[in-house]
Amino acid sequence: EPEVTQTPSHQVTQMGQEVILRCVPISNHLYFYWYRQILGQKVEFLVSFYNNEISEKSEIFDDQFSVERPDGSNFTLKIRSTKLEDSAMYFCASRDRRSNTEAFFGQGTRLTVV
Amino acid sequence: TQLLEQSPQFLSIQEGENLTVYCNSSSVFSSLQWYRQEPGEGPVLLVTVVTGGEVKKLKRLTFQFGDARKDSSLHITAAQTGDTGLYLCAGPKRGQNFVFGPGTRLSVLP
Repeated sequence: EPEVTQTPSHQVTQMGQEVILRCVPISNHLYFYWYRQILGQKVEFLVSFYNNEISEKSEIFDDQFSVERPDGSNFTLKIRSTKLEDSAMYFCASRDRRSNTEAFFGQGTRLTVV
Repeated sequence: TQLLEQSPQFLSIQEGENLTVYCNSSSVFSSLQWYRQEPGEGPVLLVTVVTGGEVKKLKRLTFQFGDARKDSSLHITAAQTGDTGLYLCAGPKRGQNFVFGPGTRLSVLP
């Protein structure tokens, strides 16, 4: 069964360093998302991406964040200068253009900023 | 603002018991999804309900979408320890992204 895959599963980084989280969405899906979940808190929307551009972003997604789909398969989230409060699980999701109802999530990357 | 609330926040029951958890909003949603999330993992889609009043069954799980499409419930019959997890409801916001409820954390004790 097709699935969304994310790498790495766990990333530890020093404050101020740049990190890139990688996602391979389900092939033939056209909408891509990044969400994050701080430990014990809600799943929060960060950004959606369609047709090679950001279609919507939340207030969390500030200038330190960027997304890219460099090669038609990978979908990446970059955090330029990590802060302690960026520590969270980051989930990638994708959706088929034929459905506006269901998004499928990856297993997540646990980012720990020290 | 389209917000989803879930209740109860926590639920601890014995194996074999029945339970119902709820997802509510003051807004109408075109659909609602239920996910289950286990610690350290991503949300796994259980079901999508689309039509007001719709009932869907997934083995021991019964999902219902309210007639007005503002609420949904998940009923589990004869809970098992494997049902333990965080149950999340989510719905599509205006635009393209999904908004999540805070979840119900279910513990099924042996």
